[in-house]
Amino acid sequence: DAGVIQSPRHEVTEMGQEVTLRCKPISGHDYLFWYRQTMMRGLELLIYFNNNVPIDDSGMPEDRFSAKMPNASFSTLKIQPSEPRDSAVYFCASSLPLAGYYNEQFFGPGTRLTVL
Amino acid sequence: KNEVEQSPQNLTAQEGEFITINCSYSVGISALHWLQQHPGGGIVSLFMLSSGKKKHGRLIATINIQEKHSSLHITASHPRDSAVYICAVPQGGSEKLVFGKGTKLTVNP
Repeated sequence: DAGVIQSPRHEVTEMGQEVTLRCKPISGHDYLFWYRQTMMRGLELLIYFNNNVPIDDSGMPEDRFSAKMPNASFSTLKIQPSEPRDSAVYFCASSLPLAGYYNEQFFGPGTRLTVL
Repeated sequence: KNEVEQSPQNLTAQEGEFITINCSYSVGISALHWLQQHPGGGIVSLFMLSSGKKKHGRLIATINIQEKHSSLHITASHPRDSAVYICAVPQGGSEKLVFGKGTKLTVNP
C-alpha cells in the first residue's frame, strides 16, 4: 500500500483565500484524523471520522475550518477565509479499528501551509 | 483531559550514548504511543504499548501504568536517530490522541 497520501505538500496563499487540503487514507482503514502542528502548540487533533462520519470536531478552531469525508478513500480540510495564524503543517492519519485496544495511526507526509 | 508531559525538551548526545526520554500523563490509559518525527517532517509510529516493555532494534519502550509513566530508550545512539520523539495517549477512552510537546534529540558523530 502507498500509505496515507496528502496533497498538496506545500501551499502558499494570501490571507483571505480559500485553502483546500486533501487526504487519501490507507485502503481499509475506518478512521481518519486531521491534525495541525505548530511550534507553539505542537500536534493537535482537529477532527476525526469513523466510516466517513465525523465523530469529534471539537478541535476545529473556528467556523472558518470545515472537513468532509464524502467516501472511504477521500477527505478534505477546508479553510475559508485563511489567515496568517493558520500557517502550520497539517497532517492526515488513518487507522484500523481494534476493539478494546487503542490502535496504531499511520500518518501522511503533511501539508505545509503558509498564509501570507 | 489527559495532560502529557515529556522530558527533556531537548537532548544532545554523542554517538554511542544511551538515551532516555520520559513521558508522564495524568489520566489512566489503555495504551501509550511513541512517535518519531524526522527532520524532514514525516511522522512514524515507533511503539504502541499498554504494559511492560517492547523492543525494536536499538529502541526500547517501557510503561508503568500505576505510575502513569513511560520511557523510550535508545541504545548505542547514532546520528540517524536525530529526530523529535513524541509521546501520545488516548483521550477519554476514545480514538482521540493527546500529544506531548516532543523531545528533540540530536546525536553528534
